[in-house]
Amino acid sequence: GAGVSQSPRYKVAKRGQDVALRCDPISGHVSLFWYQQALGQGPEFLTYFQNEAQLDKSGLPSDRFFAERPEGSVSTLKIQRTQQEDSAVYLCASSLATALVGRSDEQFFGPGTRLTVL
Amino acid sequence: AQTVTQSQPEMSVQEAETVTLSCTYDTSESNYYLFWYKQPPSRQMILVIRQEAYKQQNATENRFSVNFQKAAKSFSLKISDSQLGDTAMYFCAFMKLGALFYNQGGKLIFGQGTELSVKP
Repeated sequence: GAGVSQSPRYKVAKRGQDVALRCDPISGHVSLFWYQQALGQGPEFLTYFQNEAQLDKSGLPSDRFFAERPEGSVSTLKIQRTQQEDSAVYLCASSLATALVGRSDEQFFGPGTRLTVL
Repeated sequence: AQTVTQSQPEMSVQEAETVTLSCTYDTSESNYYLFWYKQPPSRQMILVIRQEAYKQQNATENRFSVNFQKAAKSFSLKISDSQLGDTAMYFCAFMKLGALFYNQGGKLIFGQGTELSVKP
């Protein structure tokens, strides 16, 4: 597709359930990011992939959060044993990424998945 | 650690007028980028404008321009001739440059956002 897509767009989970959120980046984009956006707040970084390698997972709030990108394209963010504080919009972004010094790569965002944990 | 602060939770402006959104940041890095992103209601976040820290000249994109004050660590966004379609949340964001020979596609650090309403 032309842009970053995410599915599902909305997810309601009962506390304690496991959820899986999918991100389809722009074709050919090497870098993929996950962010968490609480209501009325700015997005906060969760994790980052370069192709299939997870280079930074410093933002994952607990070991209940797990992300993967096994073939370097589609990524899945999994949350185990969901808690109410996990309720947020989860944003995925991708960028082309280059080896050029000083080149910033615009991150293109998906529409997000709104997770509500009851 | 880097932080980004937007001190104006909400702002409003009349159509066709000019409005300035404020942003300050804190970092010990010397090489970085600053961005303004726009998030319309229930729509995707899109990039409005970017500024490279090593450039002294302020970035402009049509009706959007920035006032980048590196020493003061200030990065404000000016929107001229405001249009109804400018109504959105605006986020200021910081990105540290990656390693010397490989851009690691740095993570964005966002401010809390400013909700801008353009009134007819």
